Amino acid sequence: QVQLVESGGGVVQPGRSLRLSCAASGFGFSSYDMYWVRQAPGKGLEWVAGIWYDGSNKYYADSVKGRFTISRDNSKNTVFLQMNSLGAEDTAFYYCARNSGSENFYSYWGQGTLVTVSS
Amino acid sequence: DIQMTQSPSTLSASVGDTVTITCRASQSISSWLAWYQQKPGKAPKVLIHKASSLESGVPSRFSGSGSGTEFTLTISSLQPDDFATYYCQQYNSLWTFGQGTKVEIK
Repeated sequence: QVQLVESGGGVVQPGRSLRLSCAASGFGFSSYDMYWVRQAPGKGLEWVAGIWYDGSNKYYADSVKGRFTISRDNSKNTVFLQMNSLGAEDTAFYYCARNSGSENFYSYWGQGTLVTVSS
Repeated sequence: DIQMTQSPSTLSASVGDTVTITCRASQSISSWLAWYQQKPGKAPKVLIHKASSLESGVPSRFSGSGSGTEFTLTISSLQPDDFATYYCQQYNSLWTFGQGTKVEIK
């Protein structure tokens, strides 16, 4: 079955960087667009970034543009989120998600990884 | 950017009630709208896509309607498992979520 497993979260100081990973299994990873969505504790969902199945196109929310970079390694079935210049506003659970294949809603989600930005 | 406005933000209801959540888009999104259910400590789960298409395995008491800028999610005969937070999401132009509606026990 489809599995998405995030890793790389933790506590990081303001201004520092962190790289999240999402390992995918149970489906043809290289055929699907992938996304990152975040949720600050007790708050709503916020789309962060998306990447086409082949990595040729990437999209970012205005709140992270210029600081975050999404990438993927189709040989390792993994999508990444490089996060630079982190601030307290980036504290959140970060989920990776996969689209349905035919439409761009999120059919599958990982369990999330918590990023806490604090000194 | 397309903004999504959900109402109400909180809804108190009893088992067996029928509840309706509304989602409004700041511009037309055709039918490119999904609804998700999220329970505490869990990832969201998609219920409906393309405004009214029920995901496989989702109970038929969930239904969606609307197009353009106005959408609704209706839960008929609310069950104990349905107390959760619900989000709409547009995927017509990038992706935007509504702010969420918490359905709580009256």
